[in-house]
Amino acid sequence: GENVEQHPSTLSVQEGDSAVIKCTYSDSASNYFPWYKQELGKRPQLIIDIRSNVGEKKDQRIAVTLNKTAKHFSLHITETQPEDSAVYFCAASSGGGADGLTFGKGTHLIIQP
Amino acid sequence: NAGVTQTPKFQVLKTGQSMTLQCAQDMNHEYMSWYRQDPGMGLRLIHYSVGAGITDQGEVPNGYNVSRSTTEDFPLRLLSAAPSQTSVYFCASSLAPEASGNTIYFGEGSWLTVV
Repeated sequence: GENVEQHPSTLSVQEGDSAVIKCTYSDSASNYFPWYKQELGKRPQLIIDIRSNVGEKKDQRIAVTLNKTAKHFSLHITETQPEDSAVYFCAASSGGGADGLTFGKGTHLIIQP
Repeated sequence: NAGVTQTPKFQVLKTGQSMTLQCAQDMNHEYMSWYRQDPGMGLRLIHYSVGAGITDQGEVPNGYNVSRSTTEDFPLRLLSAAPSQTSVYFCASSLAPEASGNTIYFGEGSWLTVV
């Protein structure tokens, strides 16, 4: 089955700086890669996703890049703000996401004022 | 439009007891799934369904049963609760992958403690 590795487990950045979180996956059939933000005690919230026919996608301060050859994808957050502090999870699926996701173990992002 | 609704939100069980976590969605989504989240871990897939009458196992199915008699409901049954099943459970739903805007919607979670 699919295996998703996520790094780093904790990331501390100064407010206003950029943050990058990286994930690798094992199943070359995976074609859907979402990123979720989870605040303490809350449900995961989708912040951005990318499908395998696209190499990069951007939404305001958030961007995701995908390298299918190397089987890795990354989340980039620019101009970080205190409200960006949360746990971020990457995930992968070979069914477009609708028949289950395999998640990474999460990155605790801390924005230092 | 309530989205994905899970009940109960909190539950304490004794070892060996059985219970059902309820999940309902009102978005006419074909696909539904159950995940568990343990401390310091990502979500792990327990079971999923691609439509009424169809279910399949995920990564960690042992100790859990599911059924999908209607499009709206996807209950998760714990047959004989064990302390290892102490976790937060999330239900999720989405349209079929062919549809555009295939966002996966999560419920608010059910906190289960087995003593």
